[in-house]
Amino acid sequence: SQTIHQWPATLVQPVGSPLSLECTVEGTSNPNLYWYRQAAGRGLQLLFYSVGIGQISSEVPQNLSASRPQDRQFILSSKKLLLSDSGFYLCAWRKGANTEAFFGQGTRLTVV
Amino acid sequence: GIQVEQSPPDLILQEGANSTLRCNFSDSVNNLQWFHQNPWGQLINLFYIPSGTKQNGRLSATTVATERYSLLYISSSQTTDSGVYFCAVLYSSASKIIFGSGTRLSIRP
Repeated sequence: SQTIHQWPATLVQPVGSPLSLECTVEGTSNPNLYWYRQAAGRGLQLLFYSVGIGQISSEVPQNLSASRPQDRQFILSSKKLLLSDSGFYLCAWRKGANTEAFFGQGTRLTVV
Repeated sequence: GIQVEQSPPDLILQEGANSTLRCNFSDSVNNLQWFHQNPWGQLINLFYIPSGTKQNGRLSATTVATERYSLLYISSSQTTDSGVYFCAVLYSSASKIIFGSGTRLSIRP
């Protein structure tokens, strides 16, 4: 069966520090991968999605970037964190068109 | 852009009551999902429902794609049903998954 792993679960980082969040999917190949951010008490904002290795689509201009170095690995990065980058970051995958999406456990990032 | 609207934004009910949550979307979609976000932030898959009606215990969902809406029914509510319910539309052509703003459901004992 397929599983999605996301880590770390929580992270406290100072302003100006770099960020790297990792998401991996097991048990499938060539999934569509997604990064979302959720501010406290708000909805889910799509940040990036990828339909294949090296293919990244950005939805919102921001201080973040994404990469997909391997088929089932999706990384969210920042060179210098801002206070406004705080939030709950969720990774998701789906196999392709007309399929269900599944989410990881999320990473709660606090920038101080 | 694509709009996904959920109503009501907040709903407070007594245990045992029934509820209907609505999701409207502005464009034709290939698929639609309902999720429940628990207090720890985890998104639980409830239904994958591009059209028609599905039932799972006390929960059921109906999507009328031609009229661009979906409904989530919760019967005999329990306190564990509390949380935020999201609908999300999936566009195969653009590979995007767009979420509504959610309905926060609070079930009082």
